[in-house]
Amino acid sequence: DAKTTQPNSMESNEEEPVHLPCNHSTISGTDYIHWYRQLPSQGPEYVIHGLTSNVNNRMASLAIAEDRKSSTLILHRATLRDAAVYYCILGTYNTDKLIFGTGTRLQVFP
Amino acid sequence: NAGVTQTPKFRVLKTGQSMTLLCAQDMNHEYMYWYRQDPGMGLRLIHYSVGEGTTAKGEVPDGYNVSRLKKQNFLLGLESAAPSQTSVYFCASSTGFETQYFGPGTRLLVL
Repeated sequence: DAKTTQPNSMESNEEEPVHLPCNHSTISGTDYIHWYRQLPSQGPEYVIHGLTSNVNNRMASLAIAEDRKSSTLILHRATLRDAAVYYCILGTYNTDKLIFGTGTRLQVFP
Repeated sequence: NAGVTQTPKFRVLKTGQSMTLLCAQDMNHEYMYWYRQDPGMGLRLIHYSVGEGTTAKGEVPDGYNVSRLKKQNFLLGLESAAPSQTSVYFCASSTGFETQYFGPGTRLLVL
C-alpha cells in the first residue's frame, strides 16, 4: 500500500483558513486520496476524497498537485469544532480496506 | 436510522477472560471493519469482511477472531484477553470503495 506523510500537528486561529498538507510520492495512478477526521473521543468521519481534480464539498476542499504526489485539505474558515486529527489515506477504487496513519492533530484557537 | 452501533461502550476484563464485541449497522452495507486505536496512535485494522459469511485479516489480527453470520452484524472476539489488548475498538461499515461510517467506539481495559 502506498504511504502518506503528514505533519504531526498544526495550529490555526478561529475563522482563518487552514491548509493541511499530505505527501504521497509513491501514489499509483489508480489511488484515490481520502481524508477523514477524528474529533476527540469519537470515531473517524469522512471528509472528502478525490482522484486528480480538485474537489469541494460542504466541509472542505481538496487540492491535488498536478503530479499527484501531494495534496492539501483546505478548511476555508476554521471553527473550534474543527479541532481534530486529520488522516490522509490512499486507496484504489477496488480496495477493500483503508490503512490509517497517525494523521495531523489540528488545534484551533479562539 | 442508527448508523453503526457498538456494544458494549466500556468493559473491564481480567487477563485470560474472553469477550465478544458486537457491531451492528442498519445501512445495508456489504463491508464491515474492526479497528483498534491505542493512545496517541492512529487506527489499525484488525479484521474486515466484504460480505456476509466472509472475513479477512487486517494489519494486526493476532489474538482476535471475527464472524459475520448476518449482513448487519460483525462480531469481534477475544478468546484470552491480554493487557496489550487494552485499547479503544472502532467498528465501521461501507458499501466498499465509498465512505466508511464509524461507530462510537468500545473502550476495553484488560487488567
